[in-house]
Amino acid sequence: GAGVSQTPSNKVTEKGKYVELRCDPISGHTALYWYRQSLGQGPEFLIYFQGTGAADDSGLPNDRFFAVRPEGSVSTLKIQRTERGDSAVYLCASSLTGTAQETQYFGPGTRLLVL
Amino acid sequence: AQSVTQPDIHITVSEGASLELRCNYSYGATPYLFWYVQSPGQGLQLLLKYFSGDTLVQGIKGFEAEFKRSQSSFNLRKPSVHWSDAAEYFCAVGAWDSNYQLIWGAGTKLIIKP
Repeated sequence: GAGVSQTPSNKVTEKGKYVELRCDPISGHTALYWYRQSLGQGPEFLIYFQGTGAADDSGLPNDRFFAVRPEGSVSTLKIQRTERGDSAVYLCASSLTGTAQETQYFGPGTRLLVL
Repeated sequence: AQSVTQPDIHITVSEGASLELRCNYSYGATPYLFWYVQSPGQGLQLLLKYFSGDTLVQGIKGFEAEFKRSQSSFNLRKPSVHWSDAAEYFCAVGAWDSNYQLIWGAGTKLIIKP
């Protein structure tokens, strides 16, 4: 695709519910990243995929958060038993191969509000 | 561990005036340095990046940044700002020993006075 896309753009849910956030990376990019951005902060790393596998999930805050990328393209970030503190903008980025000097291309984000 | 500091939460400049946004990093070796811009409703867009070589880097939209190893800084500059430059600007660091993560500053919000 032309750029990274994320759906939905906004998600409002109630505390305790389950949500899924989707990311479509740039076609051909093997590296995919999820970040979380709270108000007034820079993005915070959550998880990095190289192809289908999660190469580093050390940024996931707890076991309520999980992400998959089954075919090495689209990724889904899943949050179980949502809490009000999960409210943030969830950003997805992709890069060609995942080296440190590559440009990461970002999607517009999904704004999650947990009531 | 590497870290990034953007000391100014927000900066206000008049249209047509010059701009400098500060970024300081902490890392033991030469890092990879990035400046991104985030406009309301838009994704983060890369302005410029530095890996090695010439310490003055030119980017898009008339921005430039200078890497100063002695000061651990990578400040972003523009000689004359336009109202469309109003946005939030983020400095980020990537490290050779962390081949995927970017560590981000908290951002500086740029406000343009007419």
